[in-house]
Amino acid sequence: DTGVSQNPRHKITKRGQNVTFRCDPISEHNRLYWYRQTLGQGPEFLTYFQNEAQLEKSRLLSDRFSAERPKGSFSTLEIQRTEQGDSAMYLCASSSLGQGANWATEAFFGQGTRLTVV
Amino acid sequence: AQSVTQLGSHVSVSEGALVLLRCNYSSSVPPYLFWYVQYPNQGLQLLLKYTSAATLVKGINGFEAEFKKSETSFHLTKPSAHMSDAAEYFCAVSDGGTASKLTFGTGTRLQVTL
Repeated sequence: DTGVSQNPRHKITKRGQNVTFRCDPISEHNRLYWYRQTLGQGPEFLTYFQNEAQLEKSRLLSDRFSAERPKGSFSTLEIQRTEQGDSAMYLCASSSLGQGANWATEAFFGQGTRLTVV
Repeated sequence: AQSVTQLGSHVSVSEGALVLLRCNYSSSVPPYLFWYVQYPNQGLQLLLKYTSAATLVKGINGFEAEFKKSETSFHLTKPSAHMSDAAEYFCAVSDGGTASKLTFGTGTRLQVTL
């Protein structure tokens, strides 16, 4: 399967611990996005990369959150000192850079990492 | 700022009946609109997108949506519901900026009954 891959699928952690999630995008995609989805809500944008550059971060991304995309390939999202409010599904998506009238290329989503902070 | 509002968090239809999921948008620039479907414990799959071409957009699985600027709407329809259509549906908007990030609605859960 050559879709977006996220690991782990589920993570249970104690409050105060650090966690790291990984996203492997579709290989030819140069854009990578992280979203967070809480129960009963739609996904909310966290941050995005174009190649290795992190070009935008949401105000939702507190100082405890950090994302990287070394070499413009896979990406990691780390949450330090987790809080119960961090419990959510973390979704990664990737897309190619569209051109001209076809700029809005489809964003392909992974299956997500469900984080539970106890 | 852009936003979408999905009217009705739950919609129930009988198998074979018309599906209508409502989405209204707010945007200060010409919007780009999307419908995604999410099955339990899965990521999101694109059903269709509107990017200022034809106002009636056809997507996968028999779904279609019509962009109506005068009503700021982008409702999703399917003539005949199938049991496999039961899922969560999200409307999303993008401003077409360089980030192309999506702003999602709160979702509508579609239930299909026999």
